[in-house]
Amino acid sequence: GAGVSQSPRYKVAKRGQDVALRCDPISGHVSLFWYQQALGQGPEFLTYFQNEAQLDKSGLPSDRFFAERPEGSVSTLKIQRTQQEDSAVYLCASSPSTHGTLNTEAFFGQGTRLTVV
Amino acid sequence: AQSVTQLGSHVSVSEGALVLLRCNYSSSVPPYLFWYVQYPNQGLQLLLKYTTGATLVKGINGFEAEFKKSETSFHLTKPSAHMSDAAEYFCAVVPLSGGYNKLIFGAGTRLAVHP
Repeated sequence: GAGVSQSPRYKVAKRGQDVALRCDPISGHVSLFWYQQALGQGPEFLTYFQNEAQLDKSGLPSDRFFAERPEGSVSTLKIQRTQQEDSAVYLCASSPSTHGTLNTEAFFGQGTRLTVV
Repeated sequence: AQSVTQLGSHVSVSEGALVLLRCNYSSSVPPYLFWYVQYPNQGLQLLLKYTTGATLVKGINGFEAEFKKSETSFHLTKPSAHMSDAAEYFCAVVPLSGGYNKLIFGAGTRLAVHP
């Protein structure tokens, strides 16, 4: 596709439910990032992949959060036993650079808005 | 730890007026600096970035920003606001030490443009 695609665009989950959020990066992009954007806040880094390798997961808020990118393209962010504080927009971004965002632009998807009720 | 402060969560200007959105960063070493714009129901779009070289950076849609090391600032300006500039603007940094791959964002400034 022409840009970063995320699905679903909106997700309502009952507290305790597991959810899976999908990101289709721009074809050929090596780097992939996940960010969490709470209401009224700026995005916060969650995790970074270079191809299939998860090089940085320091931003994942708890062990209920898990991300994977098994074939170096599509990525899935999974949240287990969702809590109300998980309600946020989850943004995915990709970049052609192996150095992440240092020298090249990161292209963002429209995000998935997760509401936990 | 690196942080970014955007002064003013909401800014309102008249069409044709100067736009000034403020951003200050905390770092002993100047990081790479970015401004992103987010239109409703759209992803973040890069407006401009400063890495090295000229401190006055020109971006898309007539925006520019000036890196001032002495003030640890990277304020975004546009001489004449247009109705289509109404959006949320985020300042971000990439620390040069350790977090090479992470964008650290400010809380954002929502710009309103009225006729």
